Amino acid sequence: DVKVTQSSRYLVKRTGEKVFLECVQDMDHENMFWYRQDPGLGLRLIYFSYDVKMKEKGDIPEGYSVSREKKERFSLILESASTNQTSMYLCASSPGLAGGAGELFFGEGSRLTVL
Amino acid sequence: SQQGEEDPQALSIQEGENATMNCSYKTSINNLQWYRQNSGRGLVHLILIRSNEREKHSGRLRVTLDTSKKSSSLLITASRAADTASYFCATVPGSSYKLIFGSGTRLLVRP
Repeated sequence: DVKVTQSSRYLVKRTGEKVFLECVQDMDHENMFWYRQDPGLGLRLIYFSYDVKMKEKGDIPEGYSVSREKKERFSLILESASTNQTSMYLCASSPGLAGGAGELFFGEGSRLTVL
Repeated sequence: SQQGEEDPQALSIQEGENATMNCSYKTSINNLQWYRQNSGRGLVHLILIRSNEREKHSGRLRVTLDTSKKSSSLLITASRAADTASYFCATVPGSSYKLIFGSGTRLLVRP
């Protein structure tokens, strides 16, 4: 079974701190994604990566950056955390699929609270 | 931007009844997918239907797609209390790598 592991289930940080959210997948998937989930807003795409060292902005990239140095690992970075970044963060991966995205495999989520 | 919008936002049914959730979207798609999320957990993929397909089945799940109306429905037959979860549709516009999710339907199945 595909496994997507997010390093922390719960984090509490202070405003202005730098925050790293780590995600590792074990199925050699080309594509990896970071979403945030807020009540009533569904999942919104922050960044995605379709290859090592490649990244593309999603719908809400402001305040975030990402790093993909190895195929299995995709990190989300909050350079200076703010209270409006309090949210559930979901990492996902998928195999490359000609003609469009296929099934996503999600991690269990990281619930971040910024005080 | 939200491509898929689910309807209803919340649904409460008795165990054994069928549950129907709808999804509407705005632009042409390559495929449409349905996911399930138990409270506080990650999403789990249920079914993928391609733009040239009209209906797909998986166990107690039946998904239809009407590209002329830009809509899809998810039917769960003979529901169980364990089906209680949030259900999301996600669309893949064109040949994009991106999935765009709706805000979900919260399903409660009463024992």
